[in-house]
Amino acid sequence: DAGVIQSPRHEVTEMGQEVTLRCKPISGHNSLFWYRQTMMRGLELLIYFNNNVPIDDSGMPEDRFSAKMPNASFSTLKIQPSEPRDSAVYFCASSFPNLAYQETQYFGPGTRLLVL
Amino acid sequence: AQKVTQAQTEISVVEKEDVTLDCVYETRDTTYYLFWYKQPPSGELVFLIRRNSFDEQNEISGRYSWNFQKSTSSFNFTITASQVVDSAVYFCALDNYGQNFVFGPGTRLSVLP
Repeated sequence: DAGVIQSPRHEVTEMGQEVTLRCKPISGHNSLFWYRQTMMRGLELLIYFNNNVPIDDSGMPEDRFSAKMPNASFSTLKIQPSEPRDSAVYFCASSFPNLAYQETQYFGPGTRLLVL
Repeated sequence: AQKVTQAQTEISVVEKEDVTLDCVYETRDTTYYLFWYKQPPSGELVFLIRRNSFDEQNEISGRYSWNFQKSTSSFNFTITASQVVDSAVYFCALDNYGQNFVFGPGTRLSVLP
């Protein structure tokens, strides 16, 4: 398997523009997570889905952020309009419970977003 | 409010030494998950473990071990016989079953050859 795929790997945009980050989880995984990492705020969980349904979106910063998972093989994180403080690395991860009920998360390489 | 404290900002050890990374958490909930993640200098994130609050058994995986003690609200991580490849930032995190997910600030571990 190719692992978790994120696109784009790097994105530079101007303030006010719409940004869409994409994630393809590992086939067969039923949970998907979006994380954000900045120097100022550290690591944050933004939202996670289980069986395509958002379970915890308490980390989504504000209405400018939205996440969707239209099917088991694709998720998007959209920022509209973007602001310089959204500059961060955004990680996507997916997981599936094993027999020991451990849900090992597998991370994508991250999308580095810079909003000018 | 939930909180995760990793009091050790940076630790340096010499290869083959054992090292323990501390994690202390605060929560009013009786059910929760605890996590450890690793972030090597390359920047990727690696999931290490998830522990349910009902399960206080210690976990061992190769050179890694975790000590969960509800009495002291701690979930410490020990690396035995450390190696240079263990150099990374390690994050502890707390999740109260989908209500709130909190990361600690991380501990930067440097293993010197």
